[in-house]
Amino acid sequence: AQSVTQPDIHITVSEGASLELRCNYSYGATPYLFWYVQSPGQGLQLLLKYFSGDTLVQGIKGFEAEFKRSQSSFNLRKPSVHWSDAAEYFCAVTNAGNNRKLIWGLGTSLAVNP
Amino acid sequence: EAGVAQSPRYKIIEKRQSVAFWCNPISGHATLYWYQQILGQGPKLLIQFQNNGVVDDSQLPKDRFSAERLKGVDSTLKIQPAKLEDSAVYLCASSLALAGVNEQFFGPGTRLTVL
Repeated sequence: AQSVTQPDIHITVSEGASLELRCNYSYGATPYLFWYVQSPGQGLQLLLKYFSGDTLVQGIKGFEAEFKRSQSSFNLRKPSVHWSDAAEYFCAVTNAGNNRKLIWGLGTSLAVNP
Repeated sequence: EAGVAQSPRYKIIEKRQSVAFWCNPISGHATLYWYQQILGQGPKLLIQFQNNGVVDDSQLPKDRFSAERLKGVDSTLKIQPAKLEDSAVYLCASSLALAGVNEQFFGPGTRLTVL
């Protein structure tokens, strides 16, 4: 079955520290991968996406993610976290078929200590 | 460009009442999605439109939920009658087209509380 797992429900980091949010997927076809961020009371905003090509993708707000097919992972990273990064982060996967339906993870809640 | 608009932002109703949500997608976006997001979970797709036709409504509780997309632009989602478990944020999203894989742009959502 198609699924996305975000192993960490909640993470707390100090401002200025590095961040890595994990995402593992189970998908039979070539995956198209996304990371979205949801700030309190806001809708979802796309941080970055991977369709093909370079497995290290750059996104907005200083985020990057690396696609590792051998590990079925698409982890999100940021070298130095800002207090405004506190939010909920969702990983999602789809493919060119299946009506492009997004399969979502349950999300990781990020708290940032000053 | 203007983003996806949704209204109302908040709604409180009692169980067994009816409620409707409205969504105006980004101009030119052919595909429109309604999601339900329960607290602590990821979004769950309720229904997907391509222009004014339904592409996927497999997870829409059709005994109480209905949705339409008039003229392939605006859309409304209705719940009648509401249950306590319908308390959630209802997100509308749109994307350019079904062909290829396109980014979905989300509205701010409508937070529904059923008492």
